[in-house]
Amino acid sequence: EIVLTQSPATLSLSPGERATLSCRASQSVNSYLTWYQQKPGQAPRLLIYDASKRATGIPARFSGSGSGTDFTLTISSLEPEDFAVYYCQQRSNWPLTFGGGTKVEI
Amino acid sequence: EVQLLESGGGLVQPGGSLRLSCAASGFSFRDYAMSWVRQAPGKGLEWVSAISGSGSDTYYADSVKGRFTISRDNSRNTLYVQMNSLRAEDTAVYYCAKFSTWYRLDYWGQGTPVTVSS
Repeated sequence: EIVLTQSPATLSLSPGERATLSCRASQSVNSYLTWYQQKPGQAPRLLIYDASKRATGIPARFSGSGSGTDFTLTISSLEPEDFAVYYCQQRSNWPLTFGGGTKVEI
Repeated sequence: EVQLLESGGGLVQPGGSLRLSCAASGFSFRDYAMSWVRQAPGKGLEWVSAISGSGSDTYYADSVKGRFTISRDNSRNTLYVQMNSLRAEDTAVYYCAKFSTWYRLDYWGQGTPVTVSS
């Protein structure tokens, strides 16, 4: 099973600041790394797929990078609606696995 | 517009059974693999099971293998999961999700809560 480790667990920032979230895989997932955003009481929403491609309707302030085992989600300038929990996910191998999440809080 | 609507959740005793359903609309259901993902209270996301568009291929997390069965009825555009021998640790919100490709989940339902307790 590929284990995804996200860091930090919590990121405390202010609106307008840059957020950098990390996801590290226990073995290579090539570029098959996906990021989701989840707000309280809501279902997850697809943000980034194939490590760096923005999903439909996702603002340009969200960007993803990395390949192999190390990946980064960057939010260039936090908007109030960006404070949420972010999860990475891989399906390079079965089972599909998620990281433990990073909470971006004000 | 893609819509996924889960139903069937509720309170069940340990050792009991429950069947969840997910009604899909807004896309060609038979052409896409589907998945169940759960989230225990205050915890992260945990993948449960997946099924190919035809239903011929199924996949399970070790935590549910042998107890849960995923299936689909393409004539009814509906995804199911039969959950048997339920345990307290199965308590979670269960989400139905659509695969865009086999690598990512592009649409999610709002979830249905399952509580396993005596």
